[in-house]
Amino acid sequence: EAGVAQSPRYKIIEKRQSVAFWCNPISGHATLYWYQQILGQGPKLLIQFQNNGVVDDSQLPKDRFSAERLKGVDSTLKIQPAKLEDSAVYLCASSLAENQPQHFGDGTRLSIL
Amino acid sequence: GENVEQHPSTLSVQEGDSAVIKCTYSDSASNYFPWYKQELGKRPQLIIDIRSNVGEKKDQRIAVTLNKTAKHFSLHITETQPEDSAVYFCAASIQRTGGFKTIFGAGTRLFVKA
Repeated sequence: EAGVAQSPRYKIIEKRQSVAFWCNPISGHATLYWYQQILGQGPKLLIQFQNNGVVDDSQLPKDRFSAERLKGVDSTLKIQPAKLEDSAVYLCASSLAENQPQHFGDGTRLSIL
Repeated sequence: GENVEQHPSTLSVQEGDSAVIKCTYSDSASNYFPWYKQELGKRPQLIIDIRSNVGEKKDQRIAVTLNKTAKHFSLHITETQPEDSAVYFCAASIQRTGGFKTIFGAGTRLFVKA
């Protein structure tokens, strides 16, 4: 089966600019996750979708981050405006349902100058 | 609270020795405990998982044990090989309104010396 696809792989922007990431989960996976992984740390859940509905966004900085999953398939994560502390790898994952094994994409490495 | 603690942060072993990584969690309702391996610059990949209705699970050189009373679980790697060198993350399901979400530990960097 095809894995979780993410793009772009790398992005460099200046602070206060905006950026968007795209994720295509494994076909048939109902649950989609966006994680932020800062160097040397474990993945931190930003938002979790069940089909096209948000089930957890308690750790999402909503003043600057937004995410959507239209039609319950692809998802986009946006940051506007970016801050220096947003430099991290943004990982997308999907699973058949919550509490099931998660399959991760390769991530987007974001650098803020 | 939402907390998964992982120890040690760094572990160095000689090839052929065993490696043990321990994690503790705080939510007594947690019922799913996966372990992921992440090689440098690559995606995390599931290596083994355990649910709360069993105390131990084994897959070749890898095993996971769970102590629900003490709220801790451990990863055991036997006969370590240089290709086991990576960062290992434990995770636990944390109850949220209407379901569960996954919280990751901070990771253990394992070095296997040839």
